Amino acid sequence: AQRVTQPEKLLSVFKGAPVELKCNYSYSGSPELFWYVQYSRQRLQLLLRHISRESIKGFTADLNKGETSFHLKKPFAQEEDSAMYYCALWGSGTSYGKLTFGQGTILTVHP
Amino acid sequence: SQTIHQWPATLVQPVGSPLSLECTVEGTSNPNLYWYRQAAGRGLQLLFYSVGIGQISSEVPQNLSASRPQDRQFILSSKKLLLSDSGFYLCAWSFEAGTEAFFGQGTRLTVV
Repeated sequence: AQRVTQPEKLLSVFKGAPVELKCNYSYSGSPELFWYVQYSRQRLQLLLRHISRESIKGFTADLNKGETSFHLKKPFAQEEDSAMYYCALWGSGTSYGKLTFGQGTILTVHP
Repeated sequence: SQTIHQWPATLVQPVGSPLSLECTVEGTSNPNLYWYRQAAGRGLQLLFYSVGIGQISSEVPQNLSASRPQDRQFILSSKKLLLSDSGFYLCAWSFEAGTEAFFGQGTRLTVV
């Protein structure tokens, strides 16, 4: 079964500090992983996807198949990064089209 | 360009009443469609998804059902609402599996 786990419901850091939001997955195939973000009073939106290996708003995420992790990192957090972050996993085969999200992490960046 | 419409934005319904939430996608054909419930502490819970007309997968046994009467329309229903059905419901779509999903504005349902 595919599963996404975000162990931290809440994460607080100060502006300028590094931040890491943890995501672990359980999946038998080759995972397609994404990070989504929801800012206050805005729709849930894509932040980045593992296959593109890009940096968006200073955030990066590396897929570690050995540890089955896809942690989201930013070296210097900004107040505007405060939001809810979700890690998401696409299914394939018999679960084709299934998009599973983790429990989410609320990030608060203090001034 | 593609857009997703979800309505109503808020809804207050008495226990035992029926429910119908609608979601429509414009500007594309044969999208994958999704219903989620967002609850504090439980994250984004997948309720139903559909990769085509006539194909609906249910993820969580519950008091709800979904239908796809048209290619770009996804409806979440209940015959009799329970208090536990209260929550924030999100509709989403994607071109295909493995691509970006786009979300609606959500419906805040309160069952009283």
